[in-house]
Amino acid sequence: QKEVEQNSGPLSVPEGAIASLNCTYSDRGSQSFFWYRQYSGKSPELIMSIYSNGDKEDGRFTAQLNKASQYVSLLIRDSQPSDSATYLCALLGGYQKVTFGTGTKLQVIP
Amino acid sequence: DVKVTQSSRYLVKRTGEKVFLECVQDMDHENMFWYRQDPGLGLRLIYFSYDVKMKEKGDIPEGYSVSREKKERFSLILESASTNQTSMYLCASSPGTGHGYTFGSGTRLTVV
Repeated sequence: QKEVEQNSGPLSVPEGAIASLNCTYSDRGSQSFFWYRQYSGKSPELIMSIYSNGDKEDGRFTAQLNKASQYVSLLIRDSQPSDSATYLCALLGGYQKVTFGTGTKLQVIP
Repeated sequence: DVKVTQSSRYLVKRTGEKVFLECVQDMDHENMFWYRQDPGLGLRLIYFSYDVKMKEKGDIPEGYSVSREKKERFSLILESASTNQTSMYLCASSPGTGHGYTFGSGTRLTVV
């Protein structure tokens, strides 16, 4: 089992819809969780951090963490074509090491 | 905003050459990292550093070395470049453990 698993996609949603991106992980000792957005040909950009169970909202973005079920998700409300990118899930696990998933490609259709 | 600057956006080097990739951050961050990113494999950690003159191996350190002589600068060295080191190289920094990373714009290295 991979340490961090994401569906590679592409996930296609119509403009204005809610995009739901999911990530599961294997290390129960993971402490901190991150979502990065990476546009094609660009470097990753941190968009959300979450450290405790529950929801964290920032504008149109909501991160959800469930440590018991070992998953973290990112919801994007009112999706825009400019949200089209690859979204990387990352977590800080044992040995203070950050592990990245391979990313989910999101396509927002106008 | 934190800025992480990588010296080159594109590089083409010959097999066997010694290659230096430079990274500089301007916000006094303690931690710096070097990753490579390849299609289907995601981001893989090569080396990292939590302090000046300190370095730790990541998941794929073979064929690479690093140098951190000053807090703001973290260099990646390919001792003898090989074609399987053709990749996108990303430098990142963070203020401390548990914080997210700021990435540089990346260096796309091609070894021929």
